[in-house]
Amino acid sequence: DTAVSQTPKYLVTQMGNDKSIKCEQNLGHDTMYWYKQDSKKFLKIMFSYNNKELIINETVPNRFSPKSPDKAHLNLHINSLELGDSAVYFCASSQELAKNIQYFGAGTRLSVL
Amino acid sequence: GQQLNQSPQSMFIQEGEDVSMNCTSSSIFNTWLWYKQDPGEGPVLLIALYKAGELTSNGRLTAQFGITRKDSFLNISASIPSDVGIYFCAGMIYNQGGKLIFGQGTELSVKP
Repeated sequence: DTAVSQTPKYLVTQMGNDKSIKCEQNLGHDTMYWYKQDSKKFLKIMFSYNNKELIINETVPNRFSPKSPDKAHLNLHINSLELGDSAVYFCASSQELAKNIQYFGAGTRLSVL
Repeated sequence: GQQLNQSPQSMFIQEGEDVSMNCTSSSIFNTWLWYKQDPGEGPVLLIALYKAGELTSNGRLTAQFGITRKDSFLNISASIPSDVGIYFCAGMIYNQGGKLIFGQGTELSVKP
């Protein structure tokens, strides 16, 4: 049973396209996150949602729009993809904000050509 | 903004050796976490630290939350080939929406 699952694992697309990455967690957690890992392996938070409410929006271009239909899902939609969007995107979840042990999905490797 | 400086950036060691890596910051953190990332996978939590001075072990791994709250270290004893991967420290400050600040990672290679 995968705790945090994201699809697809790999995504190759052309510049200018719109794409979505889906994330689901079956841990019963209240908070979900999106992180971006660049080519140097640096991990940086993009968004967090707590019970479907946006908590963190870390200066991400508005081409990126997270959507949380329920607290078990946090999808990431990206409009007008650019070359610089190529990265690995990780979804994560945690039970609460305070002690915040975050559990990560396996990542989606996005390549924009 | 807050930053974590993690060192060393990479390590090449012989199987059986002990390893030490650390993270420092100019900011005070309430929580320190250590994660390991294998190729093609997401980070997996190794150790969580919640109190200044706390020393916690998980098998061959030991981590400490610095007294000043601005640093943490991770030690791996008697390394084995499956210890290969990238190790990340991450710090969190309460009341920031659960935001984790990650270090740059330490890439560990273990020669059998």
